[in-house]
Amino acid sequence: DAGVTQSPTHLIKTRGQQVTLRCSPKSGHDTVSWYQQALGQGPQFIFQYYEEEERQRGNFPDRFSGHQFPNYSSELNVNALLLGDSALYLCASSPAILETQYFGPGTRLLVL
Amino acid sequence: QQQVKQSPQSLIVQKGGISIINCAYENTAFDYFPWYQQFPGKGPALLIAIRPDVSEKKEGRFTISFNKSAKQFSLHIMDSQPGDSATYFCALRNAGGTSYGKLTFGQGTILTVHP
Repeated sequence: DAGVTQSPTHLIKTRGQQVTLRCSPKSGHDTVSWYQQALGQGPQFIFQYYEEEERQRGNFPDRFSGHQFPNYSSELNVNALLLGDSALYLCASSPAILETQYFGPGTRLLVL
Repeated sequence: QQQVKQSPQSLIVQKGGISIINCAYENTAFDYFPWYQQFPGKGPALLIAIRPDVSEKKEGRFTISFNKSAKQFSLHIMDSQPGDSATYFCALRNAGGTSYGKLTFGQGTILTVHP
């Protein structure tokens, strides 16, 4: 049984560009959450998707948006990239909103 | 606002020793307290978790102690091994309101276990 998978593993972009990150949840999981982890910090909650809708949102600007597909996979989109967006972006899935979250390996984004 | 404070920032322990990491939180709107272990280049992996109606939970060498009145909980790693060297994060799950189900993480503790 595959765990949470994310693609790509690494990505380099320049300021002002747009990026899309992808996540496939564990089998049987229908809830996907996205986190940003800056170097040396704990993960920060971006938003959570359930039933193809954004259910919760953390303190992130509208440049961060997402989508969940009928097969429960999800995308994170970031527009107008800033240097400060450089981080490890983590996807976590759970079988329901209040169940344990399992994390993927993350996508390392570098903005130059 | 910072809802959880984790300490220490780093910890060095000899093989076979006990590693203790602490977290303190600021309000009571949490219903689940997991600990995650993260190795370099990897995502966090769930290690052990506790609910607030239990004061202690043990799984193998890992124990969570929970003090609801003091709003503190800690991770104890018994017989620490070099393979335990990693970054450890405590987390809190929001029980309701607009942040229902959200995980809030501590700042992390870098554990080094010397052979």
